[in-house]
Amino acid sequence: NFMLTQPHSVSESPGKTVTISCTRSSGSIASNYVQWYQQRPGSAPTTVIYEDNQRPSGVPDRFSGSIDSSSNSASLTISGLKTEDEADYYCQSYDSSKRVFGGGTKLTVL
Amino acid sequence: EVQLVESGGGLVQPGGSLRLSCAASGFTFSSYEMNWVRQAPGKGLEWVSYISSSGSTIYYADSVKGRFTISRDNAKNSLYLQMNSLRAEDTAVYYCAREAGPLGGWFDPWGQGTLVTVSS
Repeated sequence: NFMLTQPHSVSESPGKTVTISCTRSSGSIASNYVQWYQQRPGSAPTTVIYEDNQRPSGVPDRFSGSIDSSSNSASLTISGLKTEDEADYYCQSYDSSKRVFGGGTKLTVL
Repeated sequence: EVQLVESGGGLVQPGGSLRLSCAASGFTFSSYEMNWVRQAPGKGLEWVSYISSSGSTIYYADSVKGRFTISRDNAKNSLYLQMNSLRAEDTAVYYCAREAGPLGGWFDPWGQGTLVTVSS
């Protein structure tokens, strides 16, 4: 089994750009798609990026995803930060029989 | 509208049992794989279990294997999680989530969750 490691927290000012990383411990990051979920307090998670870099309808194009095989990691980038983006963000991937979440990153927009 | 509604949570003593249900609507339930995901208070998300559309393939996280049983009734558009030998560390909000994408492996949408508290 592999693990996904995220920074515990990040903070940035409104209007700026922030990137959250997600590093896979073993096996290639490219071997299975990576997803990103946003979770606001008291609410269920919602998908902001699926299949590495795809945005669901309704998610603004300020959100983008990528993977980097050289660092075996995935990244979520949010540009033009808004206060409403303040939330917890989780990366997630899978293998044949397991689904794995990163530990989550608390994004503070201040 | 696709909707998942969990129920069955509550307070249970350590060593006890509880059965969670998830009622699905707005899509052809029998065509989709399903999952349970949980979140302990103030903690991150943890995948718990997966079941294929027919129920023939099932996976569990190591933390619940042998204690939890996932099942489904496609005629009733319902997903279940039977939880036995409950421990304090099983205290969490439990979400049901539809498996998404042509290759699966991720979750969309999620239900609103049901809280399970294991305490004496």
